[in-house]
Amino acid sequence: NAGVMQNPRHLVRRRGQEARLRCSPMKGHSHVYWYRQLPEEGLKFMVYLQKENIIDESGMPKERFSAEFPKEGPSILRIQQVVRGDSAAYFCASSRQGTNEKLFFGSGTQLSVL
Amino acid sequence: DAKTTQPNSMESNEEEPVHLPCNHSTISGTDYIHWYRQLPSQGPEYVIHGLTSNVNNRMASLAIAEDRKSSTLILHRATLRDAAVYYCILRDLGGSNYKLTFGKGTLLTVNP
Repeated sequence: NAGVMQNPRHLVRRRGQEARLRCSPMKGHSHVYWYRQLPEEGLKFMVYLQKENIIDESGMPKERFSAEFPKEGPSILRIQQVVRGDSAAYFCASSRQGTNEKLFFGSGTQLSVL
Repeated sequence: DAKTTQPNSMESNEEEPVHLPCNHSTISGTDYIHWYRQLPSQGPEYVIHGLTSNVNNRMASLAIAEDRKSSTLILHRATLRDAAVYYCILRDLGGSNYKLTFGKGTLLTVNP
C-alpha cells in the first residue's frame, strides 16, 4: 500500500512564477491536509480538504495561495507569483476520516524561489 | 489545541532507553495525547497516542501521568535511526480535532 505521494520532491521557481505542488493521498483516504515548514521553524497548518471541498483554510495566506482536491486526481497546492519568502518545505498528509485519525505524511516538496 | 511543553533537545546513546517528557498542564478531559516524529528531510511520522492508560506499540511506549498533566514517550532501545524531532500534540475528541498543531518539539540526538 503506497504511502502519501508528493511531487515534485524539489521545485525551483523564479520570483513571479507559479508553483504547483501535487499530493496523492493514501488509497482509501479522502481527507488531505497541507502544512508548510519554513527554514528553522515548525510545521504550520495551511488547509484541510475533503474531496471537492475546502473544510478549513485558516492557515492559508490570503493572497496568491489556493488549494483544491478534485473528485479525480491529486490534491494541488498552487502558489501564484512566488516570492522568496515562499521558499519552504510543503508537506501533505492524508487520513481516512477527519476525526482523531492519525495522519500520514508525504516526504514533502522543497520549494526554492530564486 | 491545548499547549504542550517539551525540552528543546535531548541526547542519548545507542541501544539505551530514552525518555522524552511532555508537560500539558491545561489538558482537558477529551484531549488525546499524540506523538509524532520527523526524521531529517522527511515528513512527520505517527508514533503513538493515548488518552488515559499507558500504551505500547512496536515503536514506543507512552506513559501518561495519573492526573494527565504530563506524559513520557519511551524508546526502549534507541538506534541511530531514531534521531529526529519528536512532537507531543494534544488533540481534542470533538470540535476541530482534524488538524495537528505542531510546537517546536524535542530534537533527539543519538550517539553511536
